[in-house]
Amino acid sequence: QKEVEQNSGPLSVPEGAIASLNCTYSDRGSQSFFWYRQYSGKSPELIMFIYSNGDKEDGRFTAQLNKASQYVSLLIRDSQPSDSATYLCAGVSGGYQKVTFGIGTKLQVIP
Amino acid sequence: DGGITQSPKYLFRKEGQNVTLSCEQNLNHDAMYWYRQDPGQGLRLIYYSQIVNDFQKGDIAEGYSVSREKKESFPLTVTSAQKNPTAFYLCASSTPERTGARPQYFGPGTRLTVL
Repeated sequence: QKEVEQNSGPLSVPEGAIASLNCTYSDRGSQSFFWYRQYSGKSPELIMFIYSNGDKEDGRFTAQLNKASQYVSLLIRDSQPSDSATYLCAGVSGGYQKVTFGIGTKLQVIP
Repeated sequence: DGGITQSPKYLFRKEGQNVTLSCEQNLNHDAMYWYRQDPGQGLRLIYYSQIVNDFQKGDIAEGYSVSREKKESFPLTVTSAQKNPTAFYLCASSTPERTGARPQYFGPGTRLTVL
């Protein structure tokens, strides 16, 4: 069973701090990874994707991928209350680009 | 505006009824997907389609059916055979990016409740 694992949280951080969201995966064949943000009652919104080892930055968001350790993370700098949401990690593998989603980590940014 | 639309937003079904959820996209994406989301669980793939007139079962296809007669449309029918259909249903589409990655973009979802 190919899995993507996340701590469901909640992860609480004060406003202005760095939020670190983590994800591990079991399928070594996974090629790329996506991070989605999902507000309560809404659909997931793509934030970033990463497919190479190392860091990828986009504004306040940085995705990190370590294929040797099978570990993906999302850092949110200068966290804002509007960042409070559930963050889904997803891994892609297989010929038809099968996507496996984690259960999501709930982030609470405290003003 | 380009995007993915789903209708209805809320749907109530009586026991024994079949219902059809609509999904339309104008992004010119080739692949489309249906997921269901239940509290405390990750998104689970129901069906996916890579091209018109072709679709494949996902992890939880029992009790569901789909069609892909047009590139833009991928409706999902929840049949009476689906034992526990109350869930949040999400449609997504994708196309290869320049990098080769294929991120999926989601519609707003349909919340189905069985009465």
